[in-house]
Amino acid sequence: DVKVTQSSRYLVKRTGEKVFLECVQDMDHENMFWYRQDPGLGLRLIYFSYDVKMKEKGDIPEGYSVSREKKERFSLILESASTNQTSMYLCASTPDRDHFTDTQYFGPGTRLTVL
Amino acid sequence: AQKVTQAQTEISVVEKEDVTLDCVYETRDTTYYLFWYKQPPSGELVFLIRRNSFDEQNEISGRYSWNFQKSTSSFNFTITASQVVDSAVYFCALSGGATNKLIFGTGTLLAVQP
Repeated sequence: DVKVTQSSRYLVKRTGEKVFLECVQDMDHENMFWYRQDPGLGLRLIYFSYDVKMKEKGDIPEGYSVSREKKERFSLILESASTNQTSMYLCASTPDRDHFTDTQYFGPGTRLTVL
Repeated sequence: AQKVTQAQTEISVVEKEDVTLDCVYETRDTTYYLFWYKQPPSGELVFLIRRNSFDEQNEISGRYSWNFQKSTSSFNFTITASQVVDSAVYFCALSGGATNKLIFGTGTLLAVQP
C-alpha cells in the first residue's frame, strides 16, 4: 500500500513565523503535490514537484515555497505565516513523472492555524 | 477551461437509504480522467475510483456504483443502503489535457443518520 505521511496533524503558529510542513512517501513516487483545502473552495494546488530539486507553481503559490532535496520528501514552507494561511494542507504523490493523470494518493493532512 | 461542479453542498439521509452524489464536469479535451475521493472526519482523502473518458461502462463496487455519461458530462456516485460510516465529504475530480492538473469540485458533505 502507498503510504504518505505528514509531520503534524495539527499545528498552531503565530503571524510572522516561518512554518515548515513535511511530507514523506515510501513508494518511490516521482511526483509530489501540496494542496490547501478551504470550505466551499475544494482543494487548490499550491506547488508540485516531478523530480528532486524540481518544482512547479500550482494555482495559488503566493506566500509559499517548497523544497525537495530527496525523492521521498517534499516540504512546504510558509516564509512568514499570515492568518489567511489558516487552512488544511494536504500532500499527495503519484508514481510516474509523465503521468499526472495517475491516481494521487494523499496524506492525512495538517490543519494549520495561524494566530 | 476545466471545471468540476458538485452542486450539492450537503446531503442528509437516514441509514439504509440510497443516495446519489452528483458531479458535472467541463473540459474540451477528448482524453481525460475522472475521480472520486472520500474524506472522512479524520481528514485523509481516500481514493475510490478513477475512470478514463473512453470507458463509459458503469462501475459497481459493493454498495458503491458510478454512472458516467459523456452526453451530459456527468459522473455520478450512488451509495446503496447507506451506513453511518459513509458519512464524509466526497470530492469529484478531473484530470487531463494540456495542464494535466487534478481539478477538484467543492465537495459534498454526506451525513448518514442512524
